[in-house]
Amino acid sequence: NAGVTQTPKFRVLKTGQSMTLLCAQDMNHEYMYWYRQDPGMGLRLIHYSVGEGTTAKGEVPDGYNVSRLKKQNFLLGLESAAPSQTSVYFCASSYGLAGRMTGSRQFFGPGTRLTVL
Amino acid sequence: GENVEQHPSTLSVQEGDSAVIKCTYSDSASNYFPWYKQELGKGPQLIIDIRSNVGEKKDQRIAVTLNKTAKHFSLHITETQPEDSAVYFCAVSKVGSQGNLIFGKGTKLSVKP
Repeated sequence: NAGVTQTPKFRVLKTGQSMTLLCAQDMNHEYMYWYRQDPGMGLRLIHYSVGEGTTAKGEVPDGYNVSRLKKQNFLLGLESAAPSQTSVYFCASSYGLAGRMTGSRQFFGPGTRLTVL
Repeated sequence: GENVEQHPSTLSVQEGDSAVIKCTYSDSASNYFPWYKQELGKGPQLIIDIRSNVGEKKDQRIAVTLNKTAKHFSLHITETQPEDSAVYFCAVSKVGSQGNLIFGKGTKLSVKP
């Protein structure tokens, strides 16, 4: 099993350009997440999905869109990139809620380092 | 909303010593508490987790303790080794949040040989 994979690993954009980050998982997980990681800020949730065809906003959703057309894939889009979106982006997946409606283990991909000039 | 504070931000220990990292949270509805290890250039890796119905959990040299009354939980690493050097993140999830995690800001652990 490859686990969670992310494409691309690195990308440099100019302000105003658009791009899509791809996340794929082969663990048959229901839930998928997109985070961004900035120095000294930990990880912050951008968007998430609790199943194929569903998406929801996280803590920092502005400037991003997502789609989950297939269970195994979760796409993160930047329509008009800004320097403030320079960050490392991580995708994660999980089986979903465990017993008693508690969180379940999230497994992370290797990340995409994005620089917006 | 939930606030997770993690201390210390950096920690340096000698090989063989113990390391302790503490996190406090604000929402009493929080009920899932994982710890992640992140090596340079890699994604976070789950190393141990605990749920609110358990006070302590141990896995070889790693243990997590939870004090629900005081709203804090701690990661304990015993007999540290150079390969334990990494950034460690705590996280919190609560009922009704769809399992979403709120992360602490991380602790950079350095283990000196």
